Amino acid sequence: KNQVEQSPQSLIILEGKNCTLQCNYTVSPFSNLRWYKQDTGRGPVSLTIMTFSENTKSNGRYTATLDADTKQSSLHITASQLSDSASYICVVSEYGNAGNMLTFGGGTRLMVKP
Amino acid sequence: EPEVTQTPSHQVTQMGQEVILHCVPISNHLYFYWYRQILGQKVEFLVSFYNNEISEKSEIFDDQFSVERPDGSNFTLKIRSTKLEDSAMYFCASSPQGSSYNEQFFGPGTRLTVL
Repeated sequence: KNQVEQSPQSLIILEGKNCTLQCNYTVSPFSNLRWYKQDTGRGPVSLTIMTFSENTKSNGRYTATLDADTKQSSLHITASQLSDSASYICVVSEYGNAGNMLTFGGGTRLMVKP
Repeated sequence: EPEVTQTPSHQVTQMGQEVILHCVPISNHLYFYWYRQILGQKVEFLVSFYNNEISEKSEIFDDQFSVERPDGSNFTLKIRSTKLEDSAMYFCASSPQGSSYNEQFFGPGTRLTVL
């Protein structure tokens, strides 16, 4: 069964600090891995999409890495801001899936404090 | 910037009643999806829809669920006889194409509460 596991479940950091969130997956065959930001009570918003050939991808202060061999990904947030407080969800897409069905991780709930 | 919209934002219903959740996908998108998120749990795929047909559905999407694109802009999810366990946040999403690489754009969600 396809699974996506994230750690930590929750994280509290001070404004301006960096943090790294982890994702492990067992989705096969793998197509791509996405990181989403989800504010409370809102829909997920895409941060990055990475295929197996991409090791790293950045979007502003967000940098995602992917190791397709070990099936691990990380999301690094630099110089955190209060507005970064949200859940960050790792999502993996299966190759050849015509309907584009996604497998979601449970998310890491990040709280940035002043 | 175009976005997916959903109505209502919150729906309260009695167990056994039918509900219809509404979504307006981004106008030039061709693929549409419904997901649900039970409070405190992972987002779960329900169904994908293309060319007026269901492309894929999960085991959650049983006979009590149906989807429809009644006109050129709306995409609806109907739950025929709601159960307490249907209480969740329901997200609609759309993408311009159906390849597994395509980004999906999510709506803000409808919170369904079944009493």
